Amino acid sequence: NAGVTQTPKFQVLKTGQSMTLQCAQDMNHEYMSWYRQDPGMGLRLIHYSVGAGITDQGEVPNGYNVSRSTTEDFPLRLLSAAPSQTSVYFCATTPGRSYEQYFGPGTRLTVT
Amino acid sequence: GENVEQHPSTLSVQEGDSAVIKCTYSDSASNYFPWYKQELGKRPQLIIDIRSNVGEKKDQRIAVTLNKTAKHFSLHITETQPEDSAVYFCAAFLGGGYNKLIFGAGTRLAVHP
Repeated sequence: NAGVTQTPKFQVLKTGQSMTLQCAQDMNHEYMSWYRQDPGMGLRLIHYSVGAGITDQGEVPNGYNVSRSTTEDFPLRLLSAAPSQTSVYFCATTPGRSYEQYFGPGTRLTVT
Repeated sequence: GENVEQHPSTLSVQEGDSAVIKCTYSDSASNYFPWYKQELGKRPQLIIDIRSNVGEKKDQRIAVTLNKTAKHFSLHITETQPEDSAVYFCAAFLGGGYNKLIFGAGTRLAVHP
């Protein structure tokens, strides 16, 4: 099993550009989440999904969109990148009847 | 809103000493409290967790205590080793909703040989 995979590992964007961060899992976990990690601030929840077709906002959803068309994939879209979105982004999954989160390796995004 | 406060932000100990990290949370309905270890450039890894119906849990050199009345929980690492050096995060799972883990800001632990 690959577990939770994220692509790309690194990305540099210019202000105003758009892009999609990919997250995929092969563990058949129902729940998936996106976090951003900034220095000195821990991880903050952006969006999450309790299953295919269902998404909801976390603590810091502004500037990001998500969709969940399949159990396996949970992409995060930045429609118009801003320097404030420079961060490390982690995707995480959770089995349906558990609290434990399994994190992906992360994507380091820089917006100039 | 709900938050988790974590102290200290940095902690420096000598190898073999104990290290204690403390967290407080605001949502009295929180019922699950994990601790994560993150090494430089790596993903967070769960090291221990505790549920609200338990006061203490131990796994070899690490232990976690929970005081629900005071809404605080702590991580204890005994006989520290240089490989324990990392950033440690506490988190609280909010009651009443799915999977809303709120993280503390982290503690950078340095264990000196």
